[in-house]
Amino acid sequence: KAGVTQTPRYLIKTRGQQVTLSCSPISGHRSVSWYQQTPGQGLQFLFEYFSETQRNKGNFPGRFSGRQFSNSRSEMNVSTLELGDSALYLCASSLDGTGFSGNTIYFGEGSWLTVV
Amino acid sequence: AQKVTQAQTEISVVEKEDVTLDCVYETRDTTYYLFWYKQPPSGELVFLIRRNSFDEQNEISGRYSWNFQKSTSSFNFTITASQVVDSAVYFCALAGGALTFGSGTRLQVQP
Repeated sequence: KAGVTQTPRYLIKTRGQQVTLSCSPISGHRSVSWYQQTPGQGLQFLFEYFSETQRNKGNFPGRFSGRQFSNSRSEMNVSTLELGDSALYLCASSLDGTGFSGNTIYFGEGSWLTVV
Repeated sequence: AQKVTQAQTEISVVEKEDVTLDCVYETRDTTYYLFWYKQPPSGELVFLIRRNSFDEQNEISGRYSWNFQKSTSSFNFTITASQVVDSAVYFCALAGGALTFGSGTRLQVQP
């Protein structure tokens, strides 16, 4: 059974540019969540998508956005990149979301973004 | 608001030693789920265990064991006879709408 796949794994962008990251969840999983990991702030929740709808959102500026497609694949976009956006972006996949269902949440290897 | 505290920033042990990673959580929910993840240098968060708030039985999986105590809001993780391959950062997390992670404990197992 394939795991959570994230692309690209590594990328370098310049301040002011935008970036799109992709995530393919485990087959059959309908919930995709995104997390940002930085040395200073740790792991922080960005947003969750379920059946193409954003169901939950963390405390990030509007420059961070996402979407989910009918096949459950998800993309997140960061516009007008800032140096502080340099981080590991992790995608998480579960059957029906973290909520209170207790479904196991599986993570991909992440996308390492460096903003210069 | 939910909170997870992993007070141990870094632990260093010698191979074959037992080591316990502490996790203390705060939540007002009566139903919740706790997780432990392992993060090797590659970055992926590897799922280790999920525990719901109604199940206080301790669990053992090979060299890994978990002690869940609702009375003290703790969910501690013990590695018995540690190995070099156990070196990683370990995260405790609380589920409630989204995962709230602790700050992680870096475990270094020296040969």
